This record gives sequence, structure tokens and C-alpha cells, in this order.
Amino acid sequence: SQQGEEDPQALSIQEGENATMNCSYKTSINNLQWYRQNSGRGLVHLILIRSNEREKHSGRLRVTLDTSKKSSSLLITASRAADTASYFCATGSTGANSKLTFGKGITLSVRP
Amino acid sequence: EAGVVQSPRYKIIEKKQPVAFWCNPISGHNTLYWYLQNLGQGPELLIRYENEEAVDDSQLPKDRFSAERLKGVDSTLKIQPAELGDSAVYLCASSLSQGNYNEQFFGPGTRLTVL
Repeated sequence: SQQGEEDPQALSIQEGENATMNCSYKTSINNLQWYRQNSGRGLVHLILIRSNEREKHSGRLRVTLDTSKKSSSLLITASRAADTASYFCATGSTGANSKLTFGKGITLSVRP
Repeated sequence: EAGVVQSPRYKIIEKKQPVAFWCNPISGHNTLYWYLQNLGQGPELLIRYENEEAVDDSQLPKDRFSAERLKGVDSTLKIQPAELGDSAVYLCASSLSQGNYNEQFFGPGTRLTVL
């Protein structure tokens, strides 16, 4: 089963614009991570935000986490054609046998 | 530093045949994962190893799937016999201990096609 649910499923923007992707989840988490996957490749970790954090930045990436609403957003500023990829949110569960559960992903297309 | 290595990258077999995938994690990473990724979906965990111990194999279909990590380094995932529905990408990932609280590093995956 997949806990994280990303929104929208697909996003197409012009180079230079900002891209905002959302993720909602259902159960308590320890952390939430965002990954990128280029076509035919493995996933690449982008950023991790812990449950006691509200916002985190990494380069052109900004992630927010609202545990009361069980949601997160990933903002990519000044997008580039190279940002074209699928983006996944993954929730890290709490407990002894915790694991990372991925959503279905968002397909981002950045037009040059 | 070398990343997670997987082989083969592509495999085409007929149904009912056996198939095996190999993974070499990043040096020093104690935790190794095998994921299944269907087209248009996110990865789904099959099994997680802490060193040579399988600590979470609850999602592994044990009637036909098996995995091993004998020396706590590289790992093999096997399907015997393969079914049409097994066509997917099989991803291997590794992380430092307590990997659910740290980033996971993924290999390129093995794309399996069962005819």
C-alpha cells in the first residue's frame, strides 16, 4: 500500500517558473523525504524533513511540512529543463519496524 | 565513490523461467533494500536487510521470491518461477543503519519483462 499521495499527478511549466508539488499522507510519520527519478534511472534523494521541522531549504528546493494537516509541499524555484523528471514523496513511519513508503509520484515537465 | 550497482540492467524471460538479480550496495552501508516498481507507480518495499539479517520481508511473496545477503554485503533477489505479472523494475537501495531515518541511495534498477 502507498501512503503518500502526490498532487498534481502531472505538471507542465515553462523554464524559469516555479513548480509546486504537494503530498498528503494518512498516519504518523518520523520524517518525510522527496526523491527525483529521471526516465529509466534510479531514484535520487533530494531532501529530508523531520516531523519536528516545518520548513527546509536546499539550493532551489524548499520543503514544508504540516503535521496537523498531514501534508508536505516541494517547491522548485526558477525551474530548468533538467528538472524534468518524476518526483516522489516518501514517508518514514515510526515504530520498531519502520520503513519508507513512497507515493505514486508527480511527472514534472519543464519546457525550454 | 561508486554508487549502488545492479545487474543485469534488462532481462527478458518467458513465464515459468527463473530469474535472478544482483545488487552491490555502497561500501559501508549496512542496510540494503529491494523494491518493486510498476509503471507509473512508486517503489514498493519487498525486503530490507540489516547486515545479513532480513528484518522486514513482510511484502515478499515467499512462494516464488527469495533473497539472500550472505556476507552482509551484496545481495541476490530470485524469482522462481516468474509470472507475467512480475514484469516491472526491481530497484536495490542502500543506506547507513537506521535507514528509514536517513536517505536511501538507489541503483539504476533491473527492468524485467516476462513474456
